Amino acid sequence: KAGVTQTPRYLIKTRGQQVTLSCSPISGHRSVSWYQQTPGQGLQFLFEYFSETQRNKGNFPGRFSGRQFSNSRSEMNVSTLELGDSALYLCASSLGAGTSLVNEQFFGPGTRLTVL
Amino acid sequence: AQSVAQPEDQVNVAEGNPLTVKCTYSVSGNPYLFWYVQYPNRGLQFLLKYITGDNLVKGSYGFEAEFNKSQTSFHLKKPSALVSDSALYFCAVPPRGTYKYIFGTGTRLKVLA
Repeated sequence: KAGVTQTPRYLIKTRGQQVTLSCSPISGHRSVSWYQQTPGQGLQFLFEYFSETQRNKGNFPGRFSGRQFSNSRSEMNVSTLELGDSALYLCASSLGAGTSLVNEQFFGPGTRLTVL
Repeated sequence: AQSVAQPEDQVNVAEGNPLTVKCTYSVSGNPYLFWYVQYPNRGLQFLLKYITGDNLVKGSYGFEAEFNKSQTSFHLKKPSALVSDSALYFCAVPPRGTYKYIFGTGTRLKVLA
């Protein structure tokens, strides 16, 4: 089975621009989560989608948004980029059934975003 | 507030020696607990989880973890460390009724040859 794929792997943007990151989950997985990883803040949860519905959202400003398509693929968008948005953005997929994260998540390799 | 703590930023151990990476948690109710490992320039990989049942959980690559409810801990262990175990290790807790992880700050394990 193919793993979680994320595109692009690397991005360089300037302040004020917007960016869209893409994630393709493992076949059959309906839950997709996004995390931001930085040296200072560690791993921070952004949002989680299941069957095109956002079930959870982290404490990030409204500039961060996401969506999930009917084939479970997901995108996240960051508008009006700031220097502090530079980070590794990780996508994770899981089966997603049930009322909590009982099933482990499978992470993609991440998209490294650099904001200049 | 619900939280996860990994008190050690880095753990150094000699190859062949046992290793322990510590994790304590503070969540309401009975917790689900996970360990993940991150190798350089890669995403996280699942190692093991505790949902219910035996307090000693066995996982991938010879790792195991012991759930201790009274001490609210879930320490990761391996009887004999390998140089290839050198990586960043994260403890994670998904609070009940949510669909997200709360991650610890990570512990960098360095196994010395």
